[in-house]
Amino acid sequence: AQSVTQPDIHITVSEGASLELRCNYSYGATPYLFWYVQSPGQGLQLLLKYFSGDTLVQGIKGFEAEFKRSQSSFNLRKPSVHWSDAAEYFCAVGSFPNDYKLSFGAGTTVTVRA
Amino acid sequence: NAGVTQTPKFQVLKTGQSMTLQCAQDMNHNSMYWYRQDPGMGLRLIYYSASEGTTDKGEVPNGYNVSRLNKREFSLRLESAAPSQTSVYFCASKGRGTSGSYEQYFGPGTRLTVT
Repeated sequence: AQSVTQPDIHITVSEGASLELRCNYSYGATPYLFWYVQSPGQGLQLLLKYFSGDTLVQGIKGFEAEFKRSQSSFNLRKPSVHWSDAAEYFCAVGSFPNDYKLSFGAGTTVTVRA
Repeated sequence: NAGVTQTPKFQVLKTGQSMTLQCAQDMNHNSMYWYRQDPGMGLRLIYYSASEGTTDKGEVPNGYNVSRLNKREFSLRLESAAPSQTSVYFCASKGRGTSGSYEQYFGPGTRLTVT
C-alpha cells in the first residue's frame, strides 16, 4: 500500500530564510510524487510533481524538490521564503496514471515571521 | 474555464439529515475524485470515478454514496449525516497539465458541519 509521511507538523521560518519540508513515501513501484500548497480557506494548488527523469524538479513560486530513491524521500525546498508562503503544504504519492489515486501526507503548516 | 466547481461552500446539518454535495468540471476529464480533509490527517480518498459510468471506493467510503451523473458531474451523498462526517470535502478531476503529464485539479472545497 502506498503512504506518505511528513515528519514536521509545523515549521516556523523567518522571512528571507531558506525552507525545507520533508516527505518520505512508501510505494512498491516507481512513484509519482507531488507537492501541493493550501492557503487558509482555499483549495489545493499544485506546486510541482515528479514522474521520471531529472530528480531535481522545479515548480511554481520558486520551489524545488529532489527525489531520492535510496532514501524514499521527496523534500521540498525554497531558498528564500516570502511572507506569502505561509500556508499548509502536502506531499502526495500516486499510482500509475491508469489507476490514478493519490495518498496524501498529514501536511506541514509553515508560519513565516517578519 | 471555471475548472472544478463545488456547491455549496458551507453547510450545517443535523445528525440524521441527508444532503448531496455537487461537483462539476469543464475540462473534459475522465477521472473525478472526492476527498475529505481533517486536521492532522491530510486528504483521504472517499470515492473516485475513473470514467463516466464507473465508481470505486477509496480509503474511507463508509457513510457515503456517489453518482457520476455524466462526464462533467460527480456528486457525493450523505444519506444520514453523523458528527464524524464534519469535515472539508474536496472534489478533484484528473487530466493532462500544460507539461503533458497527468495531475489532479482541485475544487475550492465544501465545509460541512454536522451537529
